[in-house]
Amino acid sequence: GAVVSQHPSRVICKSGTSVKIECRSLDFQATTMFWYRQFPKKSLMLMATSNEGSKATYEQGVEKDKFLINHASLTLSTLTVTSAHPEDSSFYICSAGDGLNTEAFFGQGTRLTVV
Amino acid sequence: QQQVKQSPQSLIVQKGGISIINCAYENTAFDYFPWYQQFPGKGPALLIAIRPDVSEKKEGRFTISFNKSAKQFSLHIMDSQPGDSATYFCAARVGGGSNYKLTFGKGTLLTVNP
Repeated sequence: GAVVSQHPSRVICKSGTSVKIECRSLDFQATTMFWYRQFPKKSLMLMATSNEGSKATYEQGVEKDKFLINHASLTLSTLTVTSAHPEDSSFYICSAGDGLNTEAFFGQGTRLTVV
Repeated sequence: QQQVKQSPQSLIVQKGGISIINCAYENTAFDYFPWYQQFPGKGPALLIAIRPDVSEKKEGRFTISFNKSAKQFSLHIMDSQPGDSATYFCAARVGGGSNYKLTFGKGTLLTVNP
């Protein structure tokens, strides 16, 4: 089956620093990738959709300057949380689709803690 | 506006029992309805999915029932096991193929007691 890998699985950073989360499709080419944010015991909130080689489309209310998304290749998308603050602490999840299969596949998530 | 409403918020079932989670949607353009299972600290994993042209789909112990006129669908887990304890999300999306944008329900925390 299709595998989507996120790295790191956990990260702790200091307030004011930036942190990058990678999302890789290991055995398929991901034409579309999605980034979600999930608060404890809450649902997944879509942050943005990225298509390879083009700018990401952000959902309403998501700060594009704070959450930088790059989808430079068909197997890699990155989410950079800039100038992180404690309120950015959350579980970030990516998903990727190849444009052929019905399903997009989810990564295992990244737990970000900003101290 | 929440487009997919999920209930109950939490559910406790005895081992061997039937777990039932319900979802209702508003957007009649939705035409693909997946269910996801999520364990703590992990990403969601697709469990089973249905399209509105069928009223029921069964895969092993998991069954989706779909009522198009009522705009409701439900997940039934037969012979529930402690290993089924997880959070379950229903979802919906418009269009098939490569349109992967999902609208999620709020989730149901299922606990199966041994």
